[in-house]
Amino acid sequence: DQQVKQNSPSLSVQEGRISILNCDYTNSMFDYFLWYKKYPAEGPTFLISISSIKDKNEDGRFTVFLNKSAKHLSLHIVPSQPGDSAVYFCAASDSGTYKYIFGTGTRLKVLA
Amino acid sequence: DGGITQSPKYLFRKEGQNVTLSCEQNLNHDAMYWYRQDPGQGLRLIYYSQIVNDFQKGDIAEGYSVSREKKESFPLTVTSAQKNPTAFYLCASSPRDTWGKLFFGSGTQLSVL
Repeated sequence: DQQVKQNSPSLSVQEGRISILNCDYTNSMFDYFLWYKKYPAEGPTFLISISSIKDKNEDGRFTVFLNKSAKHLSLHIVPSQPGDSAVYFCAASDSGTYKYIFGTGTRLKVLA
Repeated sequence: DGGITQSPKYLFRKEGQNVTLSCEQNLNHDAMYWYRQDPGQGLRLIYYSQIVNDFQKGDIAEGYSVSREKKESFPLTVTSAQKNPTAFYLCASSPRDTWGKLFFGSGTQLSVL
C-alpha cells in the first residue's frame, strides 16, 4: 500500500521556466511533509518542508504548497536551472511516530 | 564537521552470508533510520529507532536486523534470509523534534556475488 505517491516518474523543463512536481498521500495522520533532492549514488539532501498548519512555504526559488483536503502537495521551482536536474522525493511523516515515508521520486531534467 | 558516516561505500555478499552495514552519526540525534533504494524506485523504510535500545520495523524488515546500543550507531545486518539484497542502502538520522528533518549519509551499494 503506497501511502505517498509521485505519479510522474519524469519531467523535462526548459531553463528559466517553472518546474512543478506533485505528490499525493493517503494517510490523514500525516502532518509534516518534506522534499528531498537526490543525485545517483548519493544520499538525498533536504530542500524544503511544510507542516500541516500551513498551506505554503517558500525558500528562495523553492515553494511548497499543501492542499490538505485533496491530500496533495506540490513543489514549485522558479526559475529552473540546469543544476536542478536530479531526482526529487517527497516524504510524509506522522509527527507522533517519527516515521518518514517516501514517494517513488520524480526525475527532473532542466534543459539549457 | 557534524554528519552521518556510512561504511563501506561498496559491499559484496556471497550466497548464505550475513553482512553488516555501518552507520555512525555525530549530530546528537535521537532517531536513526535505514532505507533501501532499488533502481528506479523510491526509498523504502527497513527499520527505525527513536531512542537507544529501542527500534521498530519499517515496511520491509524481513531478512534484516538492527541494534541500537549507542546513540551514535545504528548498524544494519543483511541476513541470508534476505533473498534479494542488491540495493543502495541509506542511513538517516533526525533530532526527533516535532518538525525535525532527516539527514542522510552517502549510502552503501550492496551487491551479491
